[in-house]
Amino acid sequence: GNSVTQMEGPVTLSEEAFLTINCTYTATGYPSLFWYVQYPGEGLQLLLKATKADDKGSNKGFEATYRKETTSFHLEKGSVQVSDSAVYFCALSGDNNDMRFGAGTRLTVKP
Amino acid sequence: DAGVTQSPTHLIKTRGQQVTLRCSPKSGHDTVSWYQQALGQGPQFIFQYYEEEERQRGNFPDRFSGHQFPNYSSELNVNALLLGDSALYLCASSLGGRGGLEQYFGPGTRLTVT
Repeated sequence: GNSVTQMEGPVTLSEEAFLTINCTYTATGYPSLFWYVQYPGEGLQLLLKATKADDKGSNKGFEATYRKETTSFHLEKGSVQVSDSAVYFCALSGDNNDMRFGAGTRLTVKP
Repeated sequence: DAGVTQSPTHLIKTRGQQVTLRCSPKSGHDTVSWYQQALGQGPQFIFQYYEEEERQRGNFPDRFSGHQFPNYSSELNVNALLLGDSALYLCASSLGGRGGLEQYFGPGTRLTVT
């Protein structure tokens, strides 16, 4: 079945550092890929998405490219801020529309 | 534009009891999915409702059941509660019941089973 494997955390960075959170997936067909972010005490917010191979999703300085050849969707940001501290989830949605999530990566950004 | 809303925010129940959680989808959305998020883990798909029917189901026992109403709102029912059912229950809405679409999440209901 469909699944997502996500880089384990926690990840601690200094402000303005470069961020990469790795995500790989296993799926049949052509799933859509997502990154969601969860701030403390809140639900999940959609950060970005990509619906087909080579698509790049971007939002708030974050980017991720749908790589079918490596079945990956790594999240990157060139310069993180303290306000980016949260838990990040990689997810995929296949033809059945049952969204599968990774275990999440907790990011802490220190001033 | 109203987002996804869930009630109640928090709930404490005793083992063996039954619980009902409620969800109203984002305005214009007709599909509701439910997820269980244990502490420190990613959300796990429970089931999805579209056109008032359960369309997809994850690996959850029959103790977990649901319903969707004509106004697209939904309920999640859990019977015979176990300690392991303690989790954050998330509702998400989307449009059209098709695969591959983004889902919009509510703030969740925190269920504690004692």
